[in-house]
Amino acid sequence: DTGVSQNPRHKITKRGQNVTFRCDPISEHNRLYWYRQTLGQGPEFLTYFQNEAQLEKSRLLSDRFSAERPKGSFSTLEIQRTEQGDSAMYLCASSLNSRDTQYFGPGTRLTVL
Amino acid sequence: AQSVTQPDIHITVSEGASLELRCNYSYGATPYLFWYVQSPGQGLQLLLKYFSGDTLVQGIKGFEAEFKRSQSSFNLRKPSVHWSDAAEYFCAVGVGNAGNMLTFGGGTRLMVKP
Repeated sequence: DTGVSQNPRHKITKRGQNVTFRCDPISEHNRLYWYRQTLGQGPEFLTYFQNEAQLEKSRLLSDRFSAERPKGSFSTLEIQRTEQGDSAMYLCASSLNSRDTQYFGPGTRLTVL
Repeated sequence: AQSVTQPDIHITVSEGASLELRCNYSYGATPYLFWYVQSPGQGLQLLLKYFSGDTLVQGIKGFEAEFKRSQSSFNLRKPSVHWSDAAEYFCAVGVGNAGNMLTFGGGTRLMVKP
């Protein structure tokens, strides 16, 4: 068990560019979650998957955001036409099933210039 | 809509002293409650959780929390703080089906004096 991994750990981009982050959950975990954490705040729920199905999306997830988990294993989060307000830490978590502990990855820190 | 309030943004305690971090929640149904800790450069780690049953919950690293429905609170306690406990602590309420979408409070940063 190597834990949840996220890549890249840091991403600096210019406003208007597209970025994609990857999350590899703990092996055999069915549920995968994305959260966003801005400086000095607690994480905010964005979306989650049960295997490859995206079951819930927060209103925070604007049309510029899209998440996939094509084979029920790793997931990607893409932000199109980035804005400075997108600068944050993007956290991924996974759990075995719905009421099991969510294990968080180290996050990807996005800076939009 | 659900919300979590952690009234104390910063707390400083002396090593060996007792600790209580406050958490109040607002949620219309039976809450699933969690405490997570976040150390610099590390991911969030679950300290303890409450789903049902005994309202006093034991967690890792010597932490415990008590669910008080009448006060809508889930305060975290530790009888004797260690320097390694310095970190940011987040209280969360789980909503949705089986409480798996977490709503976090703003966090309390704990500093430990030698």
